Amino acid sequence: DQQVKQNSPSLSVQEGRISILNCDYTNSMFDYFLWYKKYPAEGPTFLISISSIKDKNEDGRFTVFLNKSAKHLSLHIVPSQPGDSAVYFCAASSSGSARQLTFGSGTQLTVLP
Amino acid sequence: EAQVTQNPRYLITVTGKKLTVTCSQNMNHEYMSWYRQDPGLGLRQIYYSMNVEVTDKGDVPEGYKVSRKEKRNFPLILESPSPNQTSLYFCASHGGTEAFFGQGTRLTVV
Repeated sequence: DQQVKQNSPSLSVQEGRISILNCDYTNSMFDYFLWYKKYPAEGPTFLISISSIKDKNEDGRFTVFLNKSAKHLSLHIVPSQPGDSAVYFCAASSSGSARQLTFGSGTQLTVLP
Repeated sequence: EAQVTQNPRYLITVTGKKLTVTCSQNMNHEYMSWYRQDPGLGLRQIYYSMNVEVTDKGDVPEGYKVSRKEKRNFPLILESPSPNQTSLYFCASHGGTEAFFGQGTRLTVV
C-alpha cells in the first residue's frame, strides 16, 4: 500500500507559467516532507522541505504548501523554466527529519519553450 | 563539498554472480540508506543504517545484504543476483533536513 502518492505521472507547462505538482499521503504520522528533483543519469537532488507545523515554505521560485487535514502537499514553481524539466519526487518522514523517507512514484515535468 | 560516491555507475552481470556496490559519504552522517528506483514505483528503501554496526531492513530487503563497519561506507551486497534485481540503485546519506544521494548504479542482471 503506497503511503505517498503522486497521481500524475507527467505534466507539461509553458515556459513562464506556473507548474503545480501534487502529492497525497495516507500516514497521519508523517511530520516532515521534502521535494526532490531528478535529472536523467543523476541522483535526486533536494529542492525544498516543510515541517508539519507549517503550511507553507518558500525558496525563490519554489513554494511548498501543506494541507494536513487533506493530507496533501503541492509544489509550485513560478515562473517555470525549461531547466526545470525533470522528474519530481515528494517524500515524507515520521521522524521529524530527513531520515526514514518514503517516496512517491514521481511526476515528469516538461517545461515547453 | 558534500558528496556521496557510488561505484560502479553501470554494471552488467550474470545470474548468481556475487557483486558489491560501494557507497561512501564525506559528511560524517550517522544515517545512510539504499534505495532502488523502478518505473512507476518511485524510490523504495532496501536497507538503512542508523550508525556503525547498526543496520535494518527497509521495504524491499529480499536478496540484499549490507554492512556498516565504518561511518563513511555503506556497501550493498547482492550474494546471488537475479534478473528481478535489475534496477537503478541509489545510496543516500541523511542529514537532519535533507538526504544527499549518490549518482546511481544501473544494474542489469542477465
